[in-house]
Amino acid sequence: DAKTTQPNSMESNEEEPVHLPCNHSTISGTDYIHWYRQLPSQGPEYVIHGLTSNVNNRMASLAIAEDRKSSTLILHRATLRDAAVYYCIPSTQGGSEKLVFGKGTKLTVNP
Amino acid sequence: EPEVTQTPSHQVTQMGQEVILRCVPISNHLYFYWYRQILGQKVEFLVSFYNNEISEKSEIFDDQFSVERPDGSNFTLKIRSTKLEDSAMYFCASRITSATTNEQFFGPGTRLTVL
Repeated sequence: DAKTTQPNSMESNEEEPVHLPCNHSTISGTDYIHWYRQLPSQGPEYVIHGLTSNVNNRMASLAIAEDRKSSTLILHRATLRDAAVYYCIPSTQGGSEKLVFGKGTKLTVNP
Repeated sequence: EPEVTQTPSHQVTQMGQEVILRCVPISNHLYFYWYRQILGQKVEFLVSFYNNEISEKSEIFDDQFSVERPDGSNFTLKIRSTKLEDSAMYFCASRITSATTNEQFFGPGTRLTVL
């Protein structure tokens, strides 16, 4: 399993953009980069994933470095509801595809 | 929107007792998972289940644990003889098989308290 490094915590103000970084220097060439988040007292929730190209969906954008050793989850306008722990998880397709969670980044959003 | 459901939301049991945690995955999903999260710690993978058999299990998933999909809709986790250290949130997850995404849908969890 590829190792990941994320800041323990980050803080943002409501309505401002947030950039959540993740280093995954041991990622294999076929691993997708998935991002999940866990809101307080809830189960994890899928946010976005990508392989090489930058990706956008209704929740966030994912910017992937050209060498794929790092990625950044971008929340364009943080809301109070975005306060959560965010996890980046390299995931190998094929097989059981268990998710290996690290400690993630705890995002605090200030009103 | 379809969702994974889990029952009960909170289970309190005495050490040594058997517990069964229940999950109803999303109906057209084919892969099923159990994870657990001890208070203040990381979410940990326990077991994955596909085609009516375990496809992978972690070191945590020892002989005290078993999983079953008894009727094509429920997916259960049984702990035969609970220990104090089994106290945790247990999350069920499911996903539709796909070659390009590992989007797993998680339930709200069952909080297991072993006294």
